[in-house]
Amino acid sequence: AQSVAQPEDQVNVAEGNPLTVKCTYSVSGNPYLFWYVQYPNRGLQFLLKYITGDNLVKGSYGFEAEFNKSQTSFHLKKPSALVSDSALYFCAVRASSNTGKLIFGQGTTLQVKP
Amino acid sequence: NAGVTQTPKFRVLKTGQSMTLLCAQDMNHEYMYWYRQDPGMGLRLIHYSVGEGTTAKGEVPDGYNVSRLKKQNFLLGLESAAPSQTSVYFCASSSQGGHSDTQYFGPGTRLTVL
Repeated sequence: AQSVAQPEDQVNVAEGNPLTVKCTYSVSGNPYLFWYVQYPNRGLQFLLKYITGDNLVKGSYGFEAEFNKSQTSFHLKKPSALVSDSALYFCAVRASSNTGKLIFGQGTTLQVKP
Repeated sequence: NAGVTQTPKFRVLKTGQSMTLLCAQDMNHEYMYWYRQDPGMGLRLIHYSVGEGTTAKGEVPDGYNVSRLKKQNFLLGLESAAPSQTSVYFCASSSQGGHSDTQYFGPGTRLTVL
């Protein structure tokens, strides 16, 4: 069975510091991994995805994610956090079938303080 | 290009009442999905559709029905609402449902069942 885990309910960082939001996955076959961000009272916005190739994926708003196959992880990173990055972040993995279903982690709240 | 839109934005129902949530997309996407979001549980797939006239069950389909009579619309129905269906409902669409496809989300519908 496929699954995604986000081990931290909340991550707190100071503005200007680097941030990491953790994600680990379990999937049979090749993983297809996604990060979404949700601002308060809004829908989910796509940030980035890993399909194949370079393990470091760059996405929107200066975010990037590192795929590590041996550790089955796909951590979201940003070199310098902004207060406006404060939001709820979801990691998701694509099921191995061809129906496009995504399996989501429980979400991590990122709080960036000035 | 509005993307994915959902109506209504908010709704309060009494137990036993029925309602229909409407999702519309203008991206000519084949695949459409309905999720519910509950605190600490991420997003869970209710039903999905791989094309006009088709529907399939997701992870938590009980108590819901769906229809996809037109390619651009995906309706979610609650025949007899229960308090356990209090949630935020998100619709999403994707082009082909392939492994690399990105799902695009609507702004959500906040439903309260009293």
